[in-house]
Amino acid sequence: DAGVIQSPRHEVTEMGQEVTLRCKPISGHNSLFWYRQTMMRGLELLIYFNNNVPIDDSGMPEDRFSAKMPNASFSTLKIQPSEPRDSAVYFCASSLGTGRNTGELFFGEGSRLTVL
Amino acid sequence: SQQGEEDPQALSIQEGENATMNCSYKTSINNLQWYRQNSGRGLVHLILIRSNEREKHSGRLRVTLDTSKKSSSLLITASRAADTASYFCATIQGGSEKLVFGKGTKLTVNP
Repeated sequence: DAGVIQSPRHEVTEMGQEVTLRCKPISGHNSLFWYRQTMMRGLELLIYFNNNVPIDDSGMPEDRFSAKMPNASFSTLKIQPSEPRDSAVYFCASSLGTGRNTGELFFGEGSRLTVL
Repeated sequence: SQQGEEDPQALSIQEGENATMNCSYKTSINNLQWYRQNSGRGLVHLILIRSNEREKHSGRLRVTLDTSKKSSSLLITASRAADTASYFCATIQGGSEKLVFGKGTKLTVNP
């Protein structure tokens, strides 16, 4: 299995531009998570899906952020318009189980976003 | 707020020594997980300990869980330079069912 695949690995963009991050979870996993990592705030859970349905998006910082999971093998995180404070590493992770039965998470290598 | 808080924030030891990292949490849990993150990489799952377990081993890793003190520890024995990484604990935040990570312990193992 190739593991969780994220793209792009690196993105540099200018303030105001739209950014789309992509994730392919491990086949058969029914939960997908988007995290953001910064030095100041550590790892923050933005949103998670179970069986392609968003369960909790309370971590999404603003309306500028949106996430979709149109099918079991693909998810996107979109930022529009982007701002310098959005600069971070964005991780996608997938797992079997959800909620209080969440088990091992498998992480992608992350997408490092720099907004100038 | 972070559910799990690791202690210390940074730890530097010599190769061959043992490394102990601690994690405290605030609410009741189903399980507690430990992850490792090498610089510039994604997190890798190390071990999961359930709330009804007190100790678990995996190779050179030993994890303990004390639910009465709401704390866990990760012990790496006979450390190697390759163990240099950040280590995170993660728990389900009570009521929200979200897996929340602490800010991690940065471990440096000097050859």
